[in-house]
Amino acid sequence: EAGVTQSPTHLIKTRGQQATLRCSPISGHTSVYWYQQALGLGLQFLLWYDEGEERNRGNFPPRFSGRQFPNYSSELNVNALELEDSALYLCASSSGRRNTEAFFGQGTRLTVV
Amino acid sequence: GEDVEQSLFLSVREGDSSVINCTYTDSSSTYLYWYKQEPGAGLQLLTYIFSNMDMKQDQRLTVLLNKKDKHLSLRIADTQTGDSAIYFCAVHSGGYNKLIFGAGTRLAVHP
Repeated sequence: EAGVTQSPTHLIKTRGQQATLRCSPISGHTSVYWYQQALGLGLQFLLWYDEGEERNRGNFPPRFSGRQFPNYSSELNVNALELEDSALYLCASSSGRRNTEAFFGQGTRLTVV
Repeated sequence: GEDVEQSLFLSVREGDSSVINCTYTDSSSTYLYWYKQEPGAGLQLLTYIFSNMDMKQDQRLTVLLNKKDKHLSLRIADTQTGDSAIYFCAVHSGGYNKLIFGAGTRLAVHP
């Protein structure tokens, strides 16, 4: 069974551009979570989607947004990129709202130059 | 707000036991997790424990939970070089259904 897959694995953008990151959850999982892992800052919660709806978001500016599609895959969009957005973006999925077991993808490393 | 703290670095000799500690503030946490991250990789769920348990053992891994002190630990028996990685403690914030992570403990195993 395939795990959580993220694409692309690496992304290089210039300041001011937009980045789109994609995540496919484990089959049967309806919840998708996005985390940012910036150097020296640990893992920070970004967004939670469940059944197509945004259920919660972390302390990030509105230029971080996303959506969940009917097949439960998800997209994270970062507009007006800033240098400090450079980080590993991790997606996780779980089978329901209780998030008892969240499985992570390998991440997308975004570099803003 | 919720906070999870871990020591940043631990060095052990191959074959010894490793103990990684974590403290948290959210007393309503119902699930507590340990994840492993190897260089350049995502996070791998190692184990988790329910808040009504004191201990959970899974092969070389032992998780201890002291709910009164809000202290969680992960013991790795017979530590091997392949255990070298960053270990993240995470607690489930039930009110918001999100995982709050510690900063991670880098475990270095030397011969």
